[in-house]
Amino acid sequence: TQLLEQSPQFLSIQEGENLTVYCNSSSVFSSLQWYRQEPGEGPVLLVTVVTGGEVKKLKRLTFQFGDARKDSSLHITAAQPGDTGLYLCAAFSGGYNKLIFGAGTRLAVHP
Amino acid sequence: GAGVSQTPSNKVTEKGKYVELRCDPISGHTALYWYRQSLGQGPEFLIYFQGTGAADDSGLPNDRFFAVRPEGSVSTLKIQRTERGDSAVYLCASSPTGFTGTDTQYFGPGTRLTVL
Repeated sequence: TQLLEQSPQFLSIQEGENLTVYCNSSSVFSSLQWYRQEPGEGPVLLVTVVTGGEVKKLKRLTFQFGDARKDSSLHITAAQPGDTGLYLCAAFSGGYNKLIFGAGTRLAVHP
Repeated sequence: GAGVSQTPSNKVTEKGKYVELRCDPISGHTALYWYRQSLGQGPEFLIYFQGTGAADDSGLPNDRFFAVRPEGSVSTLKIQRTERGDSAVYLCASSPTGFTGTDTQYFGPGTRLTVL
């Protein structure tokens, strides 16, 4: 069974702080995705990382895929209250149709 | 709007009852997915449709769960003899083709099912 473990489970910080959340697995993945989910909404895709060692930036968010393609991290610089939400990592299992998700990191950014 | 829509947004039912949850995918998307998200967890795959056919139903937990997509567009997830453990948010997603790793899945807002 392929599992994605995310840490920390919860993170509560002040506006302006930096943070990093992690997604780890014992399995190798061809790609890994990060989603953000707000209350009452479905997950929204932020980024897909494909190549081992790849770094992608999306404004204040930096995503990295591990060299061995087993883990990934999401770094947020100068967090803002609008960054509050559930951050999920996900990977395809058995082809391109079945996404498996981690349990998520619930981030709260306080003004 | 042109996104994935799901109805109802909330459904409260009693143990043992039958429920139907509806998903309207983005127009033209051939692939449709159902996931279930329990409290404090990430979404869990249930079933994937390619057109009208269920290409992968390996995530359906038991034979009380069934889904259809008769015309390759709208899908209905049906749950018979509901149990309290079925309480969760049921998410639907669609994607243009389902054939490549770059095929983005677009999620609806979900139906929150509560079984009393």
